[in-house]
Amino acid sequence: TQLLEQSPQFLSIQEGENLTVYCNSSSVFSSLQWYRQEPGEGPVLLVTVVTGGEVKKLKRLTFQFGDARKDSSLHITAAQTGDTGLYLCAGKKYNFNKFYFGSGTKLNVKP
Amino acid sequence: DTGVSQDPRHKITKRGQNVTFRCDPISEHNRLYWYRQTLGQGPEFLTYFQNEAQLEKSRLLSDRFSAERPKGSFSTLEIQRTEQGDSAMYLCASSLAGSDTQYFGPGTRLTVL
Repeated sequence: TQLLEQSPQFLSIQEGENLTVYCNSSSVFSSLQWYRQEPGEGPVLLVTVVTGGEVKKLKRLTFQFGDARKDSSLHITAAQTGDTGLYLCAGKKYNFNKFYFGSGTKLNVKP
Repeated sequence: DTGVSQDPRHKITKRGQNVTFRCDPISEHNRLYWYRQTLGQGPEFLTYFQNEAQLEKSRLLSDRFSAERPKGSFSTLEIQRTEQGDSAMYLCASSLAGSDTQYFGPGTRLTVL
């Protein structure tokens, strides 16, 4: 059982649509990161959220950390084909120095 | 470019052979992490170093796996007597101690035949 559950596992949408990806856990995290990974490459960091309830925006991407620091969401507005990839969340627990990853959401944006 | 680098990018080997991968972290980063990622899954933590000290190892890391970071800079991950189940992407990441942000290298794709 993974510490972080991501949903949905797969998402295929048309360019211009909006979408939300979820990252949930029963554990509390001191911080949570979102990454995007392309096939054959390492994950690329998008954002780190550290405060419960925090909202961060990166152009068309909006990230939210849950008030209880157990969950997070990533919302993409007006998706583009360049947003296609595997979106991973990773959490760091208090007093631990390692990161726990979800299994990812594979997003395909069709032209 | 001062990002995390990994070498080789791809490795194909026969079952039973030993393989070694190298990771060069971002130069001022004192923490270095190794992960394994199989198809359709997120990265799984294997081990991490702070400077040259290996501070934690996952139970996933069998006796056939060993990692070193002798001078607190680059690190190597060796797999002895490879098995087909070792086929995966091996990822390295680095960070500053106390930071919640880690930066990944491009990975080494291992295929065991």
